[in-house]
Amino acid sequence: DAGVIQSPRHEVTEMGQEVTLRCKPISGHDYLFWYRQTMMRGLELLIYFNNNVPIDDSGMPEDRFSAKMPNASFSTLKIQPSEPRDSAVYFCASSLGLQETQYFGPGTRLLVL
Amino acid sequence: AQTVTQSQPEMSVQEAETVTLSCTYDTSESDYYLFWYKQPPSRQMILVIRQEAYKQQNATENRFSVNFQKAAKSFSLKISDSQLGDAAMYFCAYRIPTQGGSEKLVFGKGTKLTVNP
Repeated sequence: DAGVIQSPRHEVTEMGQEVTLRCKPISGHDYLFWYRQTMMRGLELLIYFNNNVPIDDSGMPEDRFSAKMPNASFSTLKIQPSEPRDSAVYFCASSLGLQETQYFGPGTRLLVL
Repeated sequence: AQTVTQSQPEMSVQEAETVTLSCTYDTSESDYYLFWYKQPPSRQMILVIRQEAYKQQNATENRFSVNFQKAAKSFSLKISDSQLGDAAMYFCAYRIPTQGGSEKLVFGKGTKLTVNP
């Protein structure tokens, strides 16, 4: 298995632009997680899905952030409009169960100018 | 607010020695689960150990054990006989039920553990 796949790996954009991050989980994993990691705040869980259904989105910072999982093999995290404080590394992870090992993707390094 | 605090951004230990990573949390729930996850450079988030809040006995998994103090809301991880492969980021987390039957995961910022040969 190729593991969790994320795209793009790097994204540089200007404030106000829309940003879409993509994730393909490991086949057969029922849980998908979106995390944000910064030096100041560490690792933050933004949202997670179980069988394509959002379970807990309380970590989503504000309405500018939205996440979807239209099928078991694809999820997106969208920021519209983006702001400089959104600059971070965004990780997608998947797992077989909520308290099982989570497999992280390589991350998307986002820079909003 | 529900938070998890790991007060040690970095720790180091000599191989074969013992190290303790601290974690405190804040929740008003009485029923919850606590976890320690390990994240090596490979970026897997590997479950190391878990503890049910209603259990008084501290969980143990081989060289890993916890000191769970419910009243103090403290959940430290002890690694005995440290090995080079233990070097990683360690995240403390808890899981609580929410209304509607779902569950909420809250993570600490992590502690980077270095194991010196």
